[in-house]
Amino acid sequence: ELKVEQNPLFLSMQEGKNYTIYCNYSTTSDRLYWYRQDPGKSLESLFVLLSNGAVKQEGRLMASLDTKARLSTLHITAAVHDLSATYFCAVEQGGSEKLVFGKGTKLTVNP
Amino acid sequence: AAGVIQSPRHLIKEKRETATLKCYPIPRHDTVYWYQQGPGQDPQFLISFYEKMQSDKGSIPDRFSAQQFSDYHSELNMSSLELGDSALYFCASSRAMYPGGNYGYTFGSGTRLTVV
Repeated sequence: ELKVEQNPLFLSMQEGKNYTIYCNYSTTSDRLYWYRQDPGKSLESLFVLLSNGAVKQEGRLMASLDTKARLSTLHITAAVHDLSATYFCAVEQGGSEKLVFGKGTKLTVNP
Repeated sequence: AAGVIQSPRHLIKEKRETATLKCYPIPRHDTVYWYQQGPGQDPQFLISFYEKMQSDKGSIPDRFSAQQFSDYHSELNMSSLELGDSALYFCASSRAMYPGGNYGYTFGSGTRLTVV
């Protein structure tokens, strides 16, 4: 059974600092997704990573995928307060289109 | 651009009552998924439908049922509601990509169900 682990679960950082969120998964998968969720809101798609070595960047966020290590990272550069949210990675279960989510990383960026 | 529409946005029910949640996928999307997110939890897959047939099933209680209709909208029916059913219920849709996979998922805004 596919398991997805994120760490850290809670992250408090200062504006302007850099940090990385890690997502490990237990079985082979074709696709990995990163989502952002604000409190009580929907899941906003950030990145879809489809192949080994994939790297995508959008603003201060950059995501990468290493399928051999079964590891994805979400790197935050020069954090700003607006990035405060919960970030989820999700992996497609092999043989189905079901997404298995990590527990989420609650990010708080302090001024 | 059209998004995934869920209704209602909020729903308050008493224990043992029934609830029906509706989901209207993006036009031309043929697959619908339902997820349940408890307070402070990650979303958990409940059930999915492809071309009006159930395609996968997760940790959906027997008290819940769902279907996809001819216009591709889907409904999640929940009976004998329990306090623990209080959660955000998300619907997502996708379009199948052959020979496998899809073009990505789009999530709706969710229905917040509160059972009192």
